[in-house]
Amino acid sequence: QKEVEQDPGPLSVPEGAIVSLNCTYSNSAFQYFMWYRQYSRKGPELLMYTYSSGNKEDGRFTAQVDKSSKYISLFIRDSQPSDSATYLCAVDNDYKLSFGAGTTVTVRA
Amino acid sequence: SAVISQKPSRDICQRGTSLTIQCQVDSQVTMMFWYRQQPGQSLTLIATANQGSEATYESGFVIDKFPISRPNLTFSTLTVSNMSPEDSSIYLCSEQGALRNEQFFGPGTRLTVL
Repeated sequence: QKEVEQDPGPLSVPEGAIVSLNCTYSNSAFQYFMWYRQYSRKGPELLMYTYSSGNKEDGRFTAQVDKSSKYISLFIRDSQPSDSATYLCAVDNDYKLSFGAGTTVTVRA
Repeated sequence: SAVISQKPSRDICQRGTSLTIQCQVDSQVTMMFWYRQQPGQSLTLIATANQGSEATYESGFVIDKFPISRPNLTFSTLTVSNMSPEDSSIYLCSEQGALRNEQFFGPGTRLTVL
């Protein structure tokens, strides 16, 4: 069983829509959860991180963790064409990151 | 944030040869990591590069194939040895930031093996 599962998409939305991205993880002991954004031919860029359960908001981005269901989510409000990228969820397993497959998002102008 | 550079940015190599990838970070860090991102797939951790001691490899990766050096706290190299087309991938280094859940990545080295 993979440590992190993520629907690879792709996901295409019109500009201004809400983008919803989800991952599930297998080990209930995980405490640190990250979302990375990766533009084409670039390295992943840390977007947001959360510790344990709860929500975290940063501008148009909201990260949620539900430890009871082992579910992590990222929401992008008022999506822009510049948000078009691959979004990867990750869990921290003693500083070693396990990544989901990544979801490719295209925001259409 | 962090500034991480990798050299080369890309290379095309022949089967059976080796390539050494360099990773330079802009400040002293305790932990550096090497990942592989195969075409259309996510990142997989190869090893943790330890300063002053041997690297710690993940399951499925061995030192003979992926020797790693970490001579100081700002620099590391990964060698891909005796390459085959299956080694065609993007190789990325990362550094652990000051906070537990901050890990920053370099731009990656895109390797094609013919």
